[in-house]
Amino acid sequence: DAKTTQPTSMDCAEGRAANLPCNHSTISGNEYVYWYRQIHSQGPQYIIHGLKNNETNEMASLIITEDRKSSTLILPHATLRDTAVYYCIVRSHSGTYKYIFGTGTRLKVLA
Amino acid sequence: GAGVSQSPSNKVTEKGKDVELRCDPISGHTALYWYRQSLGQGLEFLIYFQGNSAPDKSGLPSDRFSAERTGGSVSTLTIQRTQQEDSAVYLCASSNRDRVNYGYTFGSGTRLTVV
Repeated sequence: DAKTTQPTSMDCAEGRAANLPCNHSTISGNEYVYWYRQIHSQGPQYIIHGLKNNETNEMASLIITEDRKSSTLILPHATLRDTAVYYCIVRSHSGTYKYIFGTGTRLKVLA
Repeated sequence: GAGVSQSPSNKVTEKGKDVELRCDPISGHTALYWYRQSLGQGLEFLIYFQGNSAPDKSGLPSDRFSAERTGGSVSTLTIQRTQQEDSAVYLCASSNRDRVNYGYTFGSGTRLTVV
């Protein structure tokens, strides 16, 4: 599975959009981009995933560049409860389905 | 149940003792995964079960670690002769492999402390 690179930490003002970047320049054609987050002392929580089209659900939007080498997770109106570590992972839908987690981005939403 | 259940939530054990950690996946989920997370670190893959297929054990750090999944449901992770470096949060996740679009559902983990 391809490796991802994320900033170590970011701050965002409450009510503003949080834009979390992820670089996955070695992604292959059959690999999806997944985002999870981990709030302190809890297990990771699935947020969203996509292959090449932009995706949106009730939690977030995922913007994938045309060359698929990078993506951005957007939380449109960040709240204090969105403070968490956000993991960007690439994974194919074949094989063992296991995720390789990196160290993620620690997002702090400020009041 | 509605979610992935892990027990115990906390376990303190003496160095050298064996421990068993339990995971009850979401009913009907065919895939089950174990990860561990040391303090301040990311998640480390341990083992993966999918139906009746041979498990992917490639992440187990040593032969002191083993896991089984009985009847395609409950899983037990066993650590023999525990060491202090085994202290971590052990996370279990399950997914319905036929519906990969929904990702994993993780439990809240078992915090293991080896003293």
